[in-house]
Amino acid sequence: QSALTQPRSLSGSPGQSVTISCTGTSSDIGGYDFVSWYQQHPGKAPKVIIFDVTKRPSGVPARFSGSKSGNTASLTISGLQAEDEADYYCCSYAVNYIWVFGGGTKLTVL
Amino acid sequence: QVQLQQSGPGLVKPAETLSLTCTVSGGSISRYYWNFIRQPPGEGLEWIGYVDYSGTSNYNPSLKSRVTISLDMSKSQFSLKLTSATAADTAVYYCARGFDDSRGQDAFDLWGQGTVITVSA
Repeated sequence: QSALTQPRSLSGSPGQSVTISCTGTSSDIGGYDFVSWYQQHPGKAPKVIIFDVTKRPSGVPARFSGSKSGNTASLTISGLQAEDEADYYCCSYAVNYIWVFGGGTKLTVL
Repeated sequence: QVQLQQSGPGLVKPAETLSLTCTVSGGSISRYYWNFIRQPPGEGLEWIGYVDYSGTSNYNPSLKSRVTISLDMSKSQFSLKLTSATAADTAVYYCARGFDDSRGQDAFDLWGQGTVITVSA
């Protein structure tokens, strides 16, 4: 099972919206509604910000949203803030009870 | 509140077995899948495998021949063993709570503190 494909880096200015894509196959993203997104600040453990494609855990701001179309999932951050600068990883359940991560996207807030 | 506490050596010699234990406190082992995930220096996250509340496990195909994840319900612990370690196994290792079988919800929603494990002579 290959890693999911994410852009290596993205940037945006405060207040803007950015969208991070995550492309897989019909054996992972396209086949199941079990896509999650993680935010990781340097030296910290990852934190889930979206699960089951579109759901936000309690405490995660509403400006984080998730979606999926075919084999591609997306994370949108609206109203970008300085504290959103971090690494972001997508993850999907895949066939035969395995999970696969994306390679990660480094988001820079200009 | 539920917490995960990792324990294990930070240095492993090449060809030896890497071991890590994760203790679940403040909550039940039941209904969840319990996972190990690693992150090599400067790289992304890699899912290693899981054990569920019944003791059933499954692993990343790329590591399957070397990995065992087991569950000790009596101690509320789950453990990772990775045999024949090489420098490529040097990483921060995390334990994490995953799929909730009773709600059908999938997220690594609770993480251990992370353990830096270096494979070196």
